[in-house]
Amino acid sequence: DAKTTQPPSMDCAEGRAANLPCNHSTISGNEYVYWYRQIHSQGPQYIIHGLKNNETNEMASLIITEDRKSSTLILPHATLRDTAVYYCIVRVADSGSRLTFGEGTQLTVNP
Amino acid sequence: GAGVSQSPRYKVAKRGQDVALRCDPISGHVSLFWYQQALGQGPEFLTYFQNEAQLDKSGLPSDRFFAERPEGSVSTLKIQRTQQEDSAVYLCASSGRLAGSFYEQYFGPGTRLTVT
Repeated sequence: DAKTTQPPSMDCAEGRAANLPCNHSTISGNEYVYWYRQIHSQGPQYIIHGLKNNETNEMASLIITEDRKSSTLILPHATLRDTAVYYCIVRVADSGSRLTFGEGTQLTVNP
Repeated sequence: GAGVSQSPRYKVAKRGQDVALRCDPISGHVSLFWYQQALGQGPEFLTYFQNEAQLDKSGLPSDRFFAERPEGSVSTLKIQRTQQEDSAVYLCASSGRLAGSFYEQYFGPGTRLTVT
C-alpha cells in the first residue's frame, strides 16, 4: 500500500470548515483513498473514501487532485465532537486488504 | 444494526498469564481483522480472517499470539505468557460486500490490555 503524509496536528474554530490535507504521491491506479478518524478511547471510524472523483456524504467531503497525488478531507462545519486523530489511508478495495495507519493528524476543534 | 463488539473492554494480566480477547463482528461480514494499537501510535495489523479461514497472520508479533474464528463469526485473540510489551489496545474490525459498502472496515471499541 502507498505511503501517506499528513501534518501531525491542526486546529480549527468551532463552526468553521476543517480542511485536512494528505499527500500520497506513490498511489497506484487501483488504490483508493480512505479516511478514518479515531476519537479518544474509541475504535477508528470510517468517514469516506474515493478513487478519483470528489465524494461527499453526511460526514464530510473528499477532494482528490486530478493527478491523485494528494487529497483533502473537508469537515464543513466542525464541532467539538470532531476533535480526533484523522487518518488518510490508501489501499486497494479488496476484502482482504488491511488498513495501514500512519501517524495521522490530530485535529483539535476549539470553542 | 449492532456494530462490532469486543469483550472485555479492559483486562489486567500479570506477566506470564494467558489472556483471551473476544470479537463479535457485524452480522454477515465475512472479513475480520485484528489490530494492535500501542499508546500514542496508530493501529497495526495483526491478522485477517475470511470466514473461518485465517488468510494472513503476518502481523502477529510472536508465536505467543494465536487467533481463531472457528465458525466464521466470533473471533478470539489469545496471548500466551503475556509480557509487558503486550500492553496495548487490541482492536477488531469487520467488513463485507454488503449493499452500499466498499470494503470499509468497521471497528469495535477495543480491549485495553495492561500487563503488570
